[in-house]
Amino acid sequence: LAKTTQPISMDSYEGQEVNITCSHNNIATNDYITWYQQFPSQGPRFIIQGYKTKVTNEVASLFIPADRKSSTLSLPRVSLSDTAVYYCLVGGGSNDYKLSFGAGTTVTVRA
Amino acid sequence: GAVVSQHPSWVICKSGTSVKIECRSLDFQATTMFWYRQFPKQSLMLMATSNEGSKATYEQGVEKDKFLINHASLTLSTLTVTSAHPEDSSFYICSAYPGLAEETQYFGPGTRLLVL
Repeated sequence: LAKTTQPISMDSYEGQEVNITCSHNNIATNDYITWYQQFPSQGPRFIIQGYKTKVTNEVASLFIPADRKSSTLSLPRVSLSDTAVYYCLVGGGSNDYKLSFGAGTTVTVRA
Repeated sequence: GAVVSQHPSWVICKSGTSVKIECRSLDFQATTMFWYRQFPKQSLMLMATSNEGSKATYEQGVEKDKFLINHASLTLSTLTVTSAHPEDSSFYICSAYPGLAEETQYFGPGTRLLVL
């Protein structure tokens, strides 16, 4: 399973954009990059997934450079309710679709 | 869409008893389901991979006789913690995978287990 590295924590204020970068140097050719959000005592919630270039949905954008060795999750205009742990994972057909969770990034949004 | 449920959401039991946790994919069929465990302030740890109609595959260090997994249908997997002890107290989370390469795992809400 490809190992991922992301910052342990990030602080932000309401209304700001938060960008979390994840390194995954050993990503395999058929691996996808997926980001999840987790609140305390809840299961992870899917945020966004991509393979290359840029993906955008109603809650976030995901930027993936051509070499795919890193990715950046962008959360526009965060609110207090975005305070959570964010996990970057890579996985796909190369490993029976398993996901290996790293420590994640604890994002704290302040008023 | 892509909703996964778990039952119960929390359970308290006495040491030595067995506890069964159900994981259901409500609006899709899951060829594979995964079981994770999460201790306080820690990340999720994969315990086992469950495929419908076949034996589960356990991660290194996870006792298969302790954590019995049954994947009876494409929408239901169960985890039974046998002879539970206080050290088994944790947050157990399942996920379901629809089976397409571009798809992702969808997680249940988790089950909090407290063994007294």
